[in-house]
Amino acid sequence: SQQGEEDPQALSIQEGENATMNCSYKTSINNLQWYRQNSGRGLVHLILIRSNEREKHSGRLRVTLDTSKKSSSLLITASRAADTASYFCATDENDYKLSFGAGTTVTVRA
Amino acid sequence: KAGVTQTPRYLIKTRGQQVTLSCSPISGHRSVSWYQQTPGQGLQFLFEYFSETQRNKGNFPGRFSGRQFSNSRSEMNVSTLELGDSALYLCASSMGQGIAETQYFGPGTRLLVL
Repeated sequence: SQQGEEDPQALSIQEGENATMNCSYKTSINNLQWYRQNSGRGLVHLILIRSNEREKHSGRLRVTLDTSKKSSSLLITASRAADTASYFCATDENDYKLSFGAGTTVTVRA
Repeated sequence: KAGVTQTPRYLIKTRGQQVTLSCSPISGHRSVSWYQQTPGQGLQFLFEYFSETQRNKGNFPGRFSGRQFSNSRSEMNVSTLELGDSALYLCASSMGQGIAETQYFGPGTRLLVL
């Protein structure tokens, strides 16, 4: 079973535009993480936000977390072709298990 | 530091065979987790090991098993392969304070069962 669900499933944007994707989850969490996967390769960690944090930035990435709504969003600003990938949110169901959402596939058009 | 390595990268097997996949974590990492990724089910947690002990297991049949060695390297085994076992198998390592920490993923092993 998957704890997190991303929305939208797919997103196509022009280079330079911003991309926003959302993640909703079901149970209480210690933290929420976002990962990127390029075309069937391994996942790359992007950012971790703790349950007591509301917003976090890393370069062109901005993540928000609303624990009352059990939701998070990932914003990629000024997108580039290299941002074309699938993006997953992951939550900790317990200390030793990460649950991933189905992912959002982002295509950045040149 | 070298990243997480997985061998082999690609594998083709037939139904009924068994397969062993290997994962070498980042040096100093003591926790290794395994995931199965398929187009239909997405990323599914298989199991997590720390200091040779399995701390958690996902909802997979007993045909899926794993182990971790004293040097933190891990192997997973799938016996009596089924067509539905075709997937990308990913391992991830971390320091081991808890899976809530950042996970570092390997490139995966792509298994095709014919």
